[in-house]
Amino acid sequence: SAVISQKPSRDICQRGTSLTIQCQVDSQVTMMFWYRQQPGQSLTLIATANQGSEATYESGFVIDKFPISRPNLTFSTLTVSNMSPEDSSIYLCSVARAGELFFGEGSRLTVL
Amino acid sequence: GNSVTQMEGPVTLSEEAFLTINCTYTATGYPSLFWYVQYPGEGLQLLLKATKADDKGSNKGFEATYRKETTSFHLEKGSVQVSDSAVYFCALDSGAGSYQLTFGKGTKLSVIP
Repeated sequence: SAVISQKPSRDICQRGTSLTIQCQVDSQVTMMFWYRQQPGQSLTLIATANQGSEATYESGFVIDKFPISRPNLTFSTLTVSNMSPEDSSIYLCSVARAGELFFGEGSRLTVL
Repeated sequence: GNSVTQMEGPVTLSEEAFLTINCTYTATGYPSLFWYVQYPGEGLQLLLKATKADDKGSNKGFEATYRKETTSFHLEKGSVQVSDSAVYFCALDSGAGSYQLTFGKGTKLSVIP
């Protein structure tokens, strides 16, 4: 298994501001991912966080809006930049280990 | 592209009732199929998976069979318990262990005593 800690668990943010979400894993993993779950919608993959190089973004997501850092094999951050109410979602960190994908509990952001 | 469609919720059942949550998919290639569960206040957990046609995944009394001919992966349990109350997500990957999953919208199950 994998123990994944995300911070913050929830936050209320003002329009136009940015927020950084942290993801800490209990031991080293090669593959880390960031997902978004908008209200009433399915989870959507934002990007793959690559250690030592730029993240790989999925269609519809760009680095300027969702910059990602991956300084080592146990930690990653996702920043939601210049937020608008449409960014209100749950953001989830996930890691791949032993053929399985594990998820953090998510960070619930509300943008006013 | 890949997509997953699962039945709309919420679903409310009495304890010991039979559960079916339908899931159909559209994909190119040979995806693996998954059911994830999210209990209240917890993160997503893998419930079961199947990696090829006619495989049956099973766990905690839940079962799902990979049906390529009907592009389906319906989740079933013969007798649900209150502790099964959760949100269930059907998902597929791009194949070859890509870990890049496409999810359905989730189905909330409530089991009442």
